[in-house]
Amino acid sequence: DGGITQSPKYLFRKEGQNVTLSCEQNLNHDAMYWYRQDPGQGLRLIYYSQIVNDFQKGDIAEGYSVSREKKESFPLTVTSAQKNPTAFYLCASTMVYLATNEKLFFGSGTQLSVL
Amino acid sequence: DAKTTQPNSMESNEEEPVHLPCNHSTISGTDYIHWYRQLPSQGPEYVIHGLTSNVNNRMASLAIAEDRKSSTLILHRATLRDAAVYYCILRVGTGANNLFFGTGTRLTVIP
Repeated sequence: DGGITQSPKYLFRKEGQNVTLSCEQNLNHDAMYWYRQDPGQGLRLIYYSQIVNDFQKGDIAEGYSVSREKKESFPLTVTSAQKNPTAFYLCASTMVYLATNEKLFFGSGTQLSVL
Repeated sequence: DAKTTQPNSMESNEEEPVHLPCNHSTISGTDYIHWYRQLPSQGPEYVIHGLTSNVNNRMASLAIAEDRKSSTLILHRATLRDAAVYYCILRVGTGANNLFFGTGTRLTVIP
């Protein structure tokens, strides 16, 4: 079955440590997105990628970095510069970027907590 | 920014219809209205979307006001598995971030 796989489901970060969240899709989608969700709040866009080897900052990119070396993969690194990283992280994709009549496919999320 | 306004929570009895409202008074002519739902510790799941006309699919119906400033997601017979947070989202035609998520409506289904 086609879909988006995020791993790990739970991740713990120590002070000063960088951690990487994995996102893989087998939907052959061009565009991929990373969102952050805090309790009781909506989703906020961290980074997005329209196509391989291209990505742009979203609304809250500070303290995060991404890469898009392969179409199916869009890993997110939470760096030590992100002082409040505890949140639920969601990866999503669409076939084409900015296609307003197209639905988003989401992964099942990664819960990141600080030790 | 294009935004949506939804009630924080709603309750419904099992097997009763549910009408989830959404206001989007700043909507533009090319903005699509999307609905997603999210179960605890899961990613959001697509429910339905529309532009001007009412839409039906196997999960739900979407009723869009004539002036498009509001819409209603209709679950015809609520089940316990429909208990989730429902997000009404505008997909805006221009701008780098064209996905505006609000805080959603938490639907509780009472057996």
